[in-house]
Amino acid sequence: EVQLVESGGGLVQPGGSLRLSCVASGFTFSGYIMNWARQAPGKGLEWISYISSGSSAIYYADSVKGRFTTSRDNAKSSLYLQMNSLRDEDTAVYYCVRSGGMDVWGKGTTVTVSS
Amino acid sequence: DIVMTQTPLSSPVTLGQPASISCRSSQSLVHSDGNTYLSWLQQRPGQPPRLLIYKISNRFSGVPDRFSGSGAGTDFTLMISRVEAEDVGVYYCMQATQFPRTFGQGTKVEIK
Repeated sequence: EVQLVESGGGLVQPGGSLRLSCVASGFTFSGYIMNWARQAPGKGLEWISYISSGSSAIYYADSVKGRFTTSRDNAKSSLYLQMNSLRDEDTAVYYCVRSGGMDVWGKGTTVTVSS
Repeated sequence: DIVMTQTPLSSPVTLGQPASISCRSSQSLVHSDGNTYLSWLQQRPGQPPRLLIYKISNRFSGVPDRFSGSGAGTDFTLMISRVEAEDVGVYYCMQATQFPRTFGQGTKVEIK
């Protein structure tokens, strides 16, 4: 079964940092583009990052550029999101999403930025 | 950025009746490779999103055939031929032709 499991969410103060992880199983992780997307409470979906299968191409939404860094470890079938300088508006459920077509979504991990 | 605009934002439907959602993009979604990367996703209450349709009209694995997609260029439609109770949720269109990827605002489908 294809599965994506996110972890690392929690409560953090404004200006703080957090690192999210996503472990993939059931498919050949190294062959797939991966994305991060998020959903603020009661709001719609927002794409935030894309990383190619070999990490040669990485793109970010303007809202997180310069603060968030996406990386992956194909040997561990894992995707990461390093989030720095967190703001109140970064509060959301963060999803790990497979492929350019965003065909498989994890269940998400919740990040709350609040003092 | 490409702006995706969905209508309606809310759609009360009768069980067994059809439902239709429109999505318009602010510019053509035809990629330089000739494909149009327009997808539809479903988000049931309390669940993560799920891909239904990709490249305008292709049903993803396991998606019932009552869901269909159509359109071209900047105008796209998701049709549910006969709405079932399990179809309640929010539906999003999404473009993956250009960065940043962008989503429509979402259309809430509920049963009358």
